Amino acid sequence: AQKITQTQPGMFVQEKEAVTLDCTYDTSDPSYGLFWYKQPSSGEMIFLIYQGSYDQQNATEGRYSLNFQKARKSANLVISASQLGDSAMYFCAMSLSNTGNQFYFGTGTSLTVIP
Amino acid sequence: DGGITQSPKYLFRKEGQNVTLSCEQNLNHDAMYWYRQDPGQGLRLIYYSQIVNDFQKGDIAEGYSVSREKKESFPLTVTSAQKNPTAFYLCASSSRLAGGPKTQYFGPGTRLLVL
Repeated sequence: AQKITQTQPGMFVQEKEAVTLDCTYDTSDPSYGLFWYKQPSSGEMIFLIYQGSYDQQNATEGRYSLNFQKARKSANLVISASQLGDSAMYFCAMSLSNTGNQFYFGTGTSLTVIP
Repeated sequence: DGGITQSPKYLFRKEGQNVTLSCEQNLNHDAMYWYRQDPGQGLRLIYYSQIVNDFQKGDIAEGYSVSREKKESFPLTVTSAQKNPTAFYLCASSSRLAGGPKTQYFGPGTRLLVL
């Protein structure tokens, strides 16, 4: 069964606007971590932000914030004030404590920032 | 600077040939991982290693082999048994230290093409 679902294959956003990339997850493990990575055309995966299942507050890292809704099993990434350099693939991932820190990745969302 | 290096950046394989992809890290991380990424897809786990001289199969281990003789190194061999090896291969590492997220950090990747 797919553990991470990203339903938006492609998204467009105007420069300087905010954009939300969706991610839903599926697990019965009470302890897990949620991650977002950015993959520019060069191919390298760049870590953006992390949310632990027991964290009470939504994670934020500069222009990135994670909208964590535990009951809905969603972990959406919000990018504020989009920049042209934000154009890339974005992947949501989950790690489970009972699987030796194995990561499960979604299929990704391609974000294009329009000038 | 600390990080993960992968070589070569591009690799060509002939039919029936084994090839080895290099992955080295100087982050003092215990765990290392190999992923395969096909065009337009997410990452799929091939093998992972939590400690030296130990490794586990991931979701798509058939046709691949690994070794972990040193903490810093986790080479991946694509054998002739792997019938469709053309893909982008990413190596990652993470720390098992207590406290903080066990984030995976990635190398720049190796693109493997079959001639």
